[in-house]
Amino acid sequence: DAGVIQSPRHEVTEMGQEVTLRCKPISGHNSLFWYRQTMMRGLELLIYFNNNVPIDDSGMPEDRFSAKMPNASFSTLKIQPSEPRDSAVYFCASSFGTPDNEQFFGPGTRLTVL
Amino acid sequence: SQQGEEDPQALSIQEGENATMNCSYKTSINNLQWYRQNSGRGLVHLILIRSNEREKHSGRLRVTLDTSKKSSSLLITASRAADTASYFCATDEGGSYIPTFGRGTSLIVHP
Repeated sequence: DAGVIQSPRHEVTEMGQEVTLRCKPISGHNSLFWYRQTMMRGLELLIYFNNNVPIDDSGMPEDRFSAKMPNASFSTLKIQPSEPRDSAVYFCASSFGTPDNEQFFGPGTRLTVL
Repeated sequence: SQQGEEDPQALSIQEGENATMNCSYKTSINNLQWYRQNSGRGLVHLILIRSNEREKHSGRLRVTLDTSKKSSSLLITASRAADTASYFCATDEGGSYIPTFGRGTSLIVHP
């Protein structure tokens, strides 16, 4: 298995632009998580999907952030418009069964907003 | 939401020594997990210990859980330079079943 796949690995954009991050979870996993990691705030859970349905989006910082999971093998995290304070590493992770089981993380997308 | 807190924030040791890091939490948990993150990489799962377990082993790793003290320890024995990484605990406090991660312990093992 290729593991969790994220794209792009690096993204540099200018303030105000739309950014879309993509994630392909491990086949068969029914839970998907989006995290943001910064030095200041550590690893923050943004949103959690179960069976493609958003269950907990309380960590989504603002309306500028949105996430979708149209099917079991694909999810997107969109930031529109982007701001410099959104600069961070964004991780996608997937797991099987209940959300407190072992999570498998992707390599992350390093986002820089100028 | 509640999250575990690791201690110490940073740890520097020589190869061959043991490394111990701790995680404390505030309320009840179903399980507690330890993850490792190498620089520039995603997190990798190490061990999951359930609330009714007291100790688990995996290779050179030993995890203990004391629910009365609301704390867990991760022991890495005979450390190697390749163990240099950040170590995080994740707890699903308050019955949420959704784990939250602490700030991590940065471990440096000098060859």
